[in-house]
Amino acid sequence: DVKVTQSSRYLVKRTGEKVFLECVQDMDHENMFWYRQDPGLGLRLIYFSYDVKMKEKGDIPEGYSVSREKKERFSLILESASTNQTSMYLCASSLSWGQGFPLNEKLFFGSGTQLSVL
Amino acid sequence: DAKTTQPNSMESNEEEPVHLPCNHSTISGTDYIHWYRQLPSQGPEYVIHGLTSNVNNRMASLAIAEDRKSSTLILHRATLRDAAVYYCILNRDDKIIFGKGTRLHILP
Repeated sequence: DVKVTQSSRYLVKRTGEKVFLECVQDMDHENMFWYRQDPGLGLRLIYFSYDVKMKEKGDIPEGYSVSREKKERFSLILESASTNQTSMYLCASSLSWGQGFPLNEKLFFGSGTQLSVL
Repeated sequence: DAKTTQPNSMESNEEEPVHLPCNHSTISGTDYIHWYRQLPSQGPEYVIHGLTSNVNNRMASLAIAEDRKSSTLILHRATLRDAAVYYCILNRDDKIIFGKGTRLHILP
């Protein structure tokens, strides 16, 4: 089975800190995604990447950046953490994607990182 | 963005079938309909997906309306372990947009 691993299950940071959330997948998937999940708001897409060094904005990219230097690793960066970024962060990957083509692939999610910004 | 509409919550008795509805009236001809579920303290997991025809797998069945504007996820015999949030999603413009889902409660 595909494994998507997020580096931390729980993380506590202070306002203004630079925060790195790491995600690694072990099945050579081309596509990787970062979501945040908040009560009452469901999952919201922050950024995604369909290839190394490629990135696309999701619905709520403000305050975040991403890095994909290697195919298996997709990092989410909070340049200056704020309290409104306290959330559950979920990473996902999928096998392949032809840009502009419909999705017929499964998404595989990690277990999530609960980030608290104090 | 392709939008889906689901009830906020539903209840079902254990060992009975469950029908989870989803409306997607703005679906386009090439959108696949996907269902995921999220168990407590876990990331979402894939359940099933389809395009036009009804689909079955070991977890569930997916019934798609003839006009494709709605679909129904069917759990044939609910167990307590099926208590989760169920998401119906469509892909559009390379994004995978999750709605708020339906929280399914299973009554013993």
